[in-house]
Amino acid sequence: GAVVSQHPSWVICKSGTSVKIECRSLDFQATTMFWYRQFPKQSLMLMATSNEGSKATYEQGVEKDKFLINHASLTLSTLTVTSAHPEDSSFYICSARPTANYGYTFGSGTRLTVV
Amino acid sequence: DQQVKQNSPSLSVQEGRISILNCDYTNSMFDYFLWYKKYPAEGPTFLISISSIKDKNEDGRFTVFLNKSAKHLSLHIVPSQPGDSAVYFCAASASGYALNFGKGTSLLVTP
Repeated sequence: GAVVSQHPSWVICKSGTSVKIECRSLDFQATTMFWYRQFPKQSLMLMATSNEGSKATYEQGVEKDKFLINHASLTLSTLTVTSAHPEDSSFYICSARPTANYGYTFGSGTRLTVV
Repeated sequence: DQQVKQNSPSLSVQEGRISILNCDYTNSMFDYFLWYKKYPAEGPTFLISISSIKDKNEDGRFTVFLNKSAKHLSLHIVPSQPGDSAVYFCAASASGYALNFGKGTSLLVTP
């Protein structure tokens, strides 16, 4: 149980375009989802916390206008990278945990390449 | 500021021997610690966890030790197998909030 599905697995886009990444909890409801970013040989860095029905909480240094997060339902959170630039190329991973326990589950990640 | 630190970027161990991966943290509010295994281009896979009320948790070949006074935890893999070769992340959270990850240790288990 506690599966998180993330799509797409990889995407290549042109500079200036926007890319949407979806994160779905398949068998549980997630009031909170987390979005991480990983640069090569670096740690997973928390970008933002997505809250169902309310605004996301962004970590310091993360541009909220650039990384739009929407958590419209208890099973879906989306991260949209707007006006993407090559420096946005990275591996993005979402995570969620079923309420009332600590079982953090991760999506399979999205490799974004901006050309 | 890195609150969770894994100071060894890589570790090489012979098959059958013990692998010991170390992790240090700075935030005394952390009350839950986890180890994840990650292959390239995949999301992390949960391995084992420990809460701050314990000092040891064992699951098969994996044992995690927590030393709260030293703010240190370690993951022991015994015996190590070639399939254990991956990047291992130490992570910590405070009161169920988001995870703070270390930079990872790349483990290579050689036959």
